[in-house]
Amino acid sequence: DQQVKQNSPSLSVQEGRISILNCDYTNSMFDYFLWYKKYPAEGPTFLISISSIKDKNEDGRFTVFLNKSAKHLSLHIVPSQPGDSAVYFCAVLQDDKIIFGKGTRLHILP
Amino acid sequence: KAGVTQTPRYLIKTRGQQVTLSCSPISGHRSVSWYQQTPGQGLQFLFEYFSETQRNKGNFPGRFSGRQFSNSRSEMNVSTLELGDSALYLCASAEGRGAYGYTFGSGTRLTVV
Repeated sequence: DQQVKQNSPSLSVQEGRISILNCDYTNSMFDYFLWYKKYPAEGPTFLISISSIKDKNEDGRFTVFLNKSAKHLSLHIVPSQPGDSAVYFCAVLQDDKIIFGKGTRLHILP
Repeated sequence: KAGVTQTPRYLIKTRGQQVTLSCSPISGHRSVSWYQQTPGQGLQFLFEYFSETQRNKGNFPGRFSGRQFSNSRSEMNVSTLELGDSALYLCASAEGRGAYGYTFGSGTRLTVV
């Protein structure tokens, strides 16, 4: 059973607008969450992370929000740029391994 | 600093054959993990090695195995290949144990025919 769920396989957003990618997880004991970005024919690249002691973490255009009671996190990209078109994976750290969601393909439209 | 290097980049094998994939971690990194990416299952953890010892193993059959050498380079082997083993195999390395600092390679695309 999937422990990390990204229910939107794809998302299209106009360039310059906000992209919001969502992720749900099942285990309330998870305490470290990550977002990765992946281009075709490349490995995932770490984007941003958040620990369960925080509810928000920002890094430039990227902000991750964590709602522990809802077991939900989201990645906001503002403003969206053409180079942001990629697959985004939500992930959690458990026992020194990364458990990934199935990814959301983000298309930034001109 | 060179990144994580995986060889070969692409591979085509026949059902029943075996295959060995190689991963050279970033210099100084002692932890290596392997992941399988398929369209249906996404990215799934295979195993983790640290200082030549397997520390963690995912839920894969025994046909999937790996090892790590004293120079931290790692290989994974899949025996008796099945069509469903067609996937992108990704290696990631980190300085120490724990997945916080993992850097991924570009992967080996394995096609089983």
